[in-house]
Amino acid sequence: GQQLNQSPQSMFIQEGEDVSMNCTSSSIFNTWLWYKQDPGEGPVLLIALYKAGELTSNGRLTAQFGITRKDSFLNISASIPSDVGIYFCAGQPYNNNDMRFGAGTRLTVKP
Amino acid sequence: GAVVSQHPSRVICKSGTSVKIECRSLDFQATTMFWYRQFPKQSLMLMATSNEGSKATYEQGVEKDKFLINHASLTLSTLTVTSAHPEDSSFYICSAVEGAYGYTFGSGTRLTVV
Repeated sequence: GQQLNQSPQSMFIQEGEDVSMNCTSSSIFNTWLWYKQDPGEGPVLLIALYKAGELTSNGRLTAQFGITRKDSFLNISASIPSDVGIYFCAGQPYNNNDMRFGAGTRLTVKP
Repeated sequence: GAVVSQHPSRVICKSGTSVKIECRSLDFQATTMFWYRQFPKQSLMLMATSNEGSKATYEQGVEKDKFLINHASLTLSTLTVTSAHPEDSSFYICSAVEGAYGYTFGSGTRLTVV
């Protein structure tokens, strides 16, 4: 099935720094979603993107749906300790109703 | 917003027994729900797509007789791990799709088979 390549796998940053992570696919996706997962919890939706080129913000988070429909990025500005967690990209292939996930980016924020 | 309730959050069972996990859409109807499995420090792996009123669609490599899925109503899907073994220990997560809110996940079930 379609695979999502998410990078980086992990990040260690200082509080206040900006963060950027991205996802790419070998095939076209209709929808890109970004989730955050805290330990022992299910993923929580951060941002949903439905159109190529779409740029959407949610507080300090900004995500974009790539023009080619094969990639997306998530930026976090001015990171804070509670941003710690695992961030997953997810995409819905154009010919499928399910969702595929990236491997996740584990973010650590040092105070 | 759309809320998906998953129960139980944690379960410990003896090897050879069966465990049922419930996934409910609380404020919307979901004709389709999804079941995922997550190993430590890994991403979510789609196990099966649960379709209301019909058979579930399983991903390649997932044993349908081992992981029984029932989606008898528009608000409830269940995953039963039959004859559980220690290698079935994992974090299981369901999700449901609601038009305005997209995919919403349950809070997950930590299964430990001893």
